[in-house]
This record gives sequence, C-alpha cells and structure tokens, in this order.
Amino acid sequence: GQSLEQPSEVTAVEGAIVQINCTYQTSGFYGLSWYQQHDGGAPTFLSYNALDGLEETGRFSSFLSRSDSYGYLLLQELQMKDSASYFCAVIEGGKLIFGQGTELSVKP
Amino acid sequence: KAGVTQTPRYLIKTRGQQVTLSCSPISGHRSVSWYQQTPGQGLQFLFEYFSETQRNKGNFPGRFSGRQFSNSRSEMNVSTLELGDSALYLCASAGATNEKLFFGSGTQLSVL
Repeated sequence: GQSLEQPSEVTAVEGAIVQINCTYQTSGFYGLSWYQQHDGGAPTFLSYNALDGLEETGRFSSFLSRSDSYGYLLLQELQMKDSASYFCAVIEGGKLIFGQGTELSVKP
Repeated sequence: KAGVTQTPRYLIKTRGQQVTLSCSPISGHRSVSWYQQTPGQGLQFLFEYFSETQRNKGNFPGRFSGRQFSNSRSEMNVSTLELGDSALYLCASAGATNEKLFFGSGTQLSVL
C-alpha cells in the first residue's frame, strides 16, 4: 500500500518563503508530483520530480530525496493568490495517489 | 487546445437514485481518471480508463462504474446513491503516463 504525509495547514505572510513537506511510503516509486487547488477550482499541475534534487519553475521549486522518501514544495515571494491547497502525489500501480493536502493561507 | 470538460457542473439527487457524469478529455489524451473529493477524505482515486479499457481501479464499491468511448470521452455512473456519495467528482486526462494530469472543474454532487 501507499501513504503520503503532509501538514494540514500552513500560514505565511506575503513576500515570505514557505516550504510544504511530503513524506511517502509506497511499494514502487516513480516520482513525486505537486498540484495546486484553489477553493472551488480544479487541481492544477505544478511540478514532477523523478530524480533526486531540486526543480525550479519561477517562484516555485520542488525537491526530492528518494533515499529519505521525502520531498518538498518551496514557494518564494508569496502572493495572496498563492492561498490554496497543495497536494503531493505519487504514482503507484499506474495510478496517481494524492496526499490529504496542505492548506496554505497567505496573510498581508 | 480546449481543457478537460465535465458536465454537469452541479447535480442534486435523492438517495436511491442513480447518476451519470460526463468527461471530455483534452484532444489527443487517451487516459481518463476519476477522483472523488470530500473535505474529510481528500482526493480518492476511483478508476482510470485508457483506450476504452479500465486500466486501474480504486477501492470503491461496485455501485461506482465507468466507461470510455472510442473518442476518449468517459462517463461514470453511481447507482443507488447514498448520502455519503455527496462530493466533488473530478475527471483528469493524461497522455500515455500519469505523471501530469489535467483536471476538469468537477461535478459537485449533492445527495439529499
């Protein structure tokens, strides 16, 4: 079976940096994905890490350590519009399995 | 390129009824997955179809079923609705692999 652990809530101020961690247990690992979902909206793909290391896409970066079964999403220069839920996900048995999500609140 | 389209956007049903939800994937995508999202359970995988065949299945009762047509459009059906089936049902499409999913806006189902 598989399980993903991520914090349920994170609060940060505008302009700051925030890190959302994700640890996983899975019988077969192919990579770690991150999705963003605004209230009432569709989840949107942010990043995918198949190999160890940091992937950067603008203000967002994602990191993976396969030996530690751990990854994180780093959001820099936080903006109010970044307030949303963030999900990590792994592929197991060909299907994408999601964590419970982290609700990020950005305060002015 | 048009995104993933789900219809209807909202649906209200009563217990015991059945419902059919529709999903049109991004043109060229052959994989369609369905997820149930509730506040307490997060995103739960229902099933995935690829080229009209069910490729993966989650841990949901047999009341939940789906199919995919030759044009990759997919439908899911829930029979004998229960109150606990109230949720946002999300459809996602992908190319050959599921590393990157494209989600529709979902169908919000309320069972009264």
